[in-house]
Amino acid sequence: GAGVSQSPSNKVTEKGKDVELRCDPISGHTALYWYRQSLGQGLEFLIYFQGNSAPDKSGLPSDRFSAERTGGSVSTLTIQRTQQEDSAVYLCASSTGQAEGTEAFFGQGTRLTVV
Amino acid sequence: AQSVSQHNHHVILSEAASLELGCNYSYGGTVNLFWYVQYPGQHLQLLLKYFSGDPLVKGIKGFEAEFIKSKFSFNLRKPSVQWSDTAEYFCAVNRGWGKLQFGAGTQVVVTP
Repeated sequence: GAGVSQSPSNKVTEKGKDVELRCDPISGHTALYWYRQSLGQGLEFLIYFQGNSAPDKSGLPSDRFSAERTGGSVSTLTIQRTQQEDSAVYLCASSTGQAEGTEAFFGQGTRLTVV
Repeated sequence: AQSVSQHNHHVILSEAASLELGCNYSYGGTVNLFWYVQYPGQHLQLLLKYFSGDPLVKGIKGFEAEFIKSKFSFNLRKPSVQWSDTAEYFCAVNRGWGKLQFGAGTQVVVTP
């Protein structure tokens, strides 16, 4: 596709349920990032993939959060046993690699509301 | 702790006014710096970036930014804003691996 695609665009879930958020990066982009945008916390890095491996998971806030990437393309962010503080916009970005100054292209995000 | 600070959280100005948004970072060594913009209802887009060379960088839509290493600053400027510049602006530093650390953002409202 022309840009980074995320689905769903909006998700309302009950506290305690699991959710899966999907990211389709730009074709050919080897690097993929997940960020979270929430009131009071701004934009926070969650996890970085290079190909299918995740060399940096340092931003995942708890062990309820996990992510995978398959085929060097689509990535899924899973949040188990959701809590109200998980409510945020989850952003995915992709880029061509690690070169200094490489631009990251962002998707529209998934707005997650935990009720 | 390493950080990125944006001085203003909200800025309101009239069309044709000049805009300057401050950004300071606390990283040592070589840095790659970015300004991203998020227009209402749209995704984050790159305005401009600095990674080496001329410290005055020009971006899209008439924006420019100056990297001042001695001040650990990367301020964004536009000489004359338009109503369409209403958006949230984020300064960011590359922390390695292409990961970005963002400032808190500045909401800019341009009134007609």
